[in-house]
Order: sequence, then C-alpha cells, then structure tokens
Amino acid sequence: AQSVTQLDSHVSVSEGTPVLLRCNYSSSYSPSLFWYVQHPNKGLQLLLKYTSAATLVKGINGFEAEFKKSETSFHLTKPSAHMSDAAEYFCVVSGISQAGTALIFGKGTTLSVSS
Amino acid sequence: NAGVTQTPKFQVLKTGQSMTLQCAQDMNHEYMSWYRQDPGMGLRLIHYSVGAGITDQGEVPNGYNVSRSTTEDFPLRLLSAAPSQTSVYFCASTLIGQGGEAFFGQGTRLTVV
Repeated sequence: AQSVTQLDSHVSVSEGTPVLLRCNYSSSYSPSLFWYVQHPNKGLQLLLKYTSAATLVKGINGFEAEFKKSETSFHLTKPSAHMSDAAEYFCVVSGISQAGTALIFGKGTTLSVSS
Repeated sequence: NAGVTQTPKFQVLKTGQSMTLQCAQDMNHEYMSWYRQDPGMGLRLIHYSVGAGITDQGEVPNGYNVSRSTTEDFPLRLLSAAPSQTSVYFCASTLIGQGGEAFFGQGTRLTVV
C-alpha cells in the first residue's frame, strides 16, 4: 500500500531565506510523486511531478524537489522565499490502494513567510 | 479550455436535506474523483470513477452517492446531509496511468447546520 507523510505541519521562514518542506513516502513499487500548492480559498495547483525520469525535478515559481529512493523522500525546496509563497503544500503519491488507482495525499504543510 | 468546473462554490444545507454537487471536465479524462478537505486531514478520497458507467468507493464514502453516465460529468450526491459533512469538496480529473497528474475544480464549501 502507498502512503505519504509530511513531516512538518507548519513551516515559517523569512522572505529571501530558503524553504524546505519535507515529505516521505511508502510504496511497494516505483511511484509517481507530486507536490501541489493551495493558496487561501483557492483550488489546488500542480507545482511539480516526478515520474521516474530525472531525480531532480524542477517546477513552477522556482520550486524543485529531489527524489531519493534510498531515503524514500521527496522534499520540496526553494532557494529564496517570496511573500506570495505563503500557502498550504501537499505531497501526493500516485499508486494502487484499496481504492484502486488513486492520488494519496499527505496532510499538508502550511508555509508562512514573514517580511 | 475550461478544465474542471465545479458548482456551486458555496452551499448551506440544513441537516437531513439532500443536494448534488456538480462536476464537469472537458479534457476527455477517463478517471474522475471526489475528495473532501478538512483541516489537518489533507484530502480524502470519497468516490472515484475509471470511466462511464464505472464507479467505486474511496476512503470515506458513507453518506455520498455518485454516478457516471458520461465521460464529462461526475456528480456527487449527499443523500441526507449531516453536520459531519461540513467540508470543502474537490472534484478532480486525471489521466489514467503512472504519472497522471490531477486537475482540480475550484472547490465547493459546504456547511451543514
């Protein structure tokens, strides 16, 4: 069965400093992994996805994530935070579960950015 | 290109009332799903469909019904609303297969009083 754990429920950074949002996954085979972002009162937007090609994945708005199979991790990073990055971020694994082929969501990490 | 369209955006129901949340996609995706989002819980799968005429239960299906008569539409029905169903609901459309990213509607904020 697939599962995903976001290690921090809330991360606070200052504008201009690096961002690290941590995600570990569990999968019985090579999964597809995604990061989605949700701004307040908005829908979900895809930031980036990993589908067994390059292990370092670049996404929109300067975000990137590295797939590390040995650590079963898919952490999201950004070199320099911007105020507009304040949002909730979801790590997602695509896999076969009791519900069939489905996207399995982590519980989310709220990113706060202060000036 | 509209993507995934969900209606309504907001709804208030009284306990025991029924209603249908509408979802339509224009990307010809076979896979559609409904999620509910509650604080600190992420998104949990309610029901999903892998094509017209085929539906199945997700993680939290109780109190909800779905049908899939066409590829485009996947409505979610609340049979008898309960306060525990107060939540934000998202419809998603996905390409089947590994790497299929989901496209989400804008969400429906439902309050049951």
